Amino acid sequence: DAKTTQPPSMDCAEGRAANLPCNHSTISGNEYVYWYRQIHSQGPQYIIHGLKNNETNEMASLIITEDRKSSTLILPHATLRDTAVYYCIVSLPAFYNQGGKLIFGQGTELSVKP
Amino acid sequence: DTAVSQTPKYLVTQMGNDKSIKCEQNLGHDTMYWYKQDSKKFLKIMFSYNNKELIINETVPNRFSPKSPDKAHLNLHINSLELGDSAVYFCASSQEVSRTRGSYNEQFFGPGTRLTVL
Repeated sequence: DAKTTQPPSMDCAEGRAANLPCNHSTISGNEYVYWYRQIHSQGPQYIIHGLKNNETNEMASLIITEDRKSSTLILPHATLRDTAVYYCIVSLPAFYNQGGKLIFGQGTELSVKP
Repeated sequence: DTAVSQTPKYLVTQMGNDKSIKCEQNLGHDTMYWYKQDSKKFLKIMFSYNNKELIINETVPNRFSPKSPDKAHLNLHINSLELGDSAVYFCASSQEVSRTRGSYNEQFFGPGTRLTVL
């Protein structure tokens, strides 16, 4: 079973920041937080990951609380093409995790509206 | 230039038939996966291979048999197809990356194969 809880859906206005929350209260010390997204009819796409510190890349920012029990994915300027299902996943490093098993939950369906 | 490719994209077949789905990655990764996404959109791992060796085998009927002829290919053969096998099957690959802040695993997914069993 997935170890994360996410709201089933969210809306965001185009050009605004999209903040997607995720609860992972049972996360263990060496588990990473990953975010993937799945645009309609496509394969999932990796966005970002983190362990303890906040992370930023060209796609998004990841804010992890100090106790690591929750995190927020931030898309700073959402576009219509960001409409997708966003999955928050906690996972051990591949070496300890049967080569990288990812357990997907239901995710958050983000709709970016004009 | 496709990183992870799957064939066919669509597969429609009758119950009881045997079919195969092929997957190839040109990223030089050493781990490949098969995932199944059902009609309710749940995405679940089925198998994982590392350097042609099976390392993950979830509770999947033995009608499903993965085969990895080399590191770049992971095929999925399904015998005696059933209605419940209808789903989208995704192949993925990854290469564990070790960095100073710890190793992580970014998986690259293929476009999916939509299997419909009639």
